[in-house]
Amino acid sequence: GPKVLQIPSHQIIDMGQMVTLNCDPVSNHLYFYWYKQILGQQMEFLVNFYNGKVMEKSKLFKDQFSVERPDGSYFTLKIQPTALEDSAVYFCASSLDPGSYEQYFGPGTRLTVL
Amino acid sequence: GEKVEQHESTLSVREGDSAVINCTYTDTASSYFPWYKQEAGKSLHFVIDIRSNVDRKQSQRLIVLLDKKAKRFSLHITATQPEDSAIYFCAASKNQGGSAKLIFGEGTKLTVSS
Repeated sequence: GPKVLQIPSHQIIDMGQMVTLNCDPVSNHLYFYWYKQILGQQMEFLVNFYNGKVMEKSKLFKDQFSVERPDGSYFTLKIQPTALEDSAVYFCASSLDPGSYEQYFGPGTRLTVL
Repeated sequence: GEKVEQHESTLSVREGDSAVINCTYTDTASSYFPWYKQEAGKSLHFVIDIRSNVDRKQSQRLIVLLDKKAKRFSLHITATQPEDSAIYFCAASKNQGGSAKLIFGEGTKLTVSS
């Protein structure tokens, strides 16, 4: 089936540094999402993105977070600066359109902030 | 705010028995209810979904029931097999202005013993 790829699979950084998480969504999909999952807890919505714009974001999407997808390249989540509580697995998802609803998830990036 | 609650945090059944996982939601505007399966260390894999225009959907051994009045939906896995063992997440979504964020439940760890 359709695949969403995420790079890297693991990232360890020091608190205060910048990190960029990369997502390669399903090729014809237009809507992109980031979710955050702290170990052992439920998945929580961060942000969704369409046509170069943030459509909706949650209160977890702090000012230090930003997303972009320059000209069909990776859909990225940047955190600058990182904080200890940013340690989690970040999942990217994509869908063809909200009307079709089904979101395909990537394998996740495990981010550890020391 | 919007919330999805998953009532069983763990569920153990014997191979061949049925497993039922129950979820409730708070937002009456929710119209789409997917289920995802997550095996240890892996991403979410779409399992089945139901939309609010029906109250029952079946796909092979999986049945989803939706009770909009009670704001409750459930996943029934019949004739369970050991490979059904995983964490199952229910979710709810509404299509609002181009955003279809998923609100997830806390997850149910299903163990099928042979």
